[in-house]
Amino acid sequence: GAVVSQHPSRVICKSGTSVKIECRSLDFQATTMFWYRQFPKQSLMLMATSNEGSKATYEQGVEKDKFLINHASLTLSTLTVTSAHPEDSSFYICSARRASGGARIYEQYFGPGTRLTVT
Amino acid sequence: AQKVTQAQTEISVVEKEDVTLDCVYETRDTTYYLFWYKQPPSGELVFLIRRNSFDEQNEISGRYSWNFQKSTSSFNFTITASQVVDSAVYFCALSDGTDKLIFGTGTRLQVFP
Repeated sequence: GAVVSQHPSRVICKSGTSVKIECRSLDFQATTMFWYRQFPKQSLMLMATSNEGSKATYEQGVEKDKFLINHASLTLSTLTVTSAHPEDSSFYICSARRASGGARIYEQYFGPGTRLTVT
Repeated sequence: AQKVTQAQTEISVVEKEDVTLDCVYETRDTTYYLFWYKQPPSGELVFLIRRNSFDEQNEISGRYSWNFQKSTSSFNFTITASQVVDSAVYFCALSDGTDKLIFGTGTRLQVFP
């Protein structure tokens, strides 16, 4: 159990367009999902925490108007990169935390990632 | 502030060699959690282990072992008899229990046949 999927796995878009990335928890409910960004050969940096039914919490330095996050249901969070530019090219990874009900705080499950290339 | 340091950027070994990946952390919290993840070329993060700050017992899982020492703020990871399939980037991470994971910069391990 505890499978997290991301769609698409790869996307190439033109500069100025918007791209939506989906993160789904397939076999559990996730009240909280996280979005990370990873540049080539670098570490994962937390961008934002997404809570179901409320606004996302962004980390310092992350533009909330550029990286729109929506957590509309207990199994789906979306990240939309608006007006993408080449510098937004990166590997985006989501993770999902199981809903409460005996869940331990450190049970966080990662998706396979989405590679975004902006030309 | 919390910080995780993985000083080894890249390590290359020959198959069957033992290899230790270092992880040093900084935190002011008395309760915290430490993790190791493996990221193969496919990109997906694979959870390896978590350890809470009150459990300093070392752990062994097959060819993997972990040495947690609070006195030196280290949580090192050893792979014995390495195999080509162990080639990946390994991340050490720290959490204060609030779900936020602070990752180290990762160590790229290459195991040659």
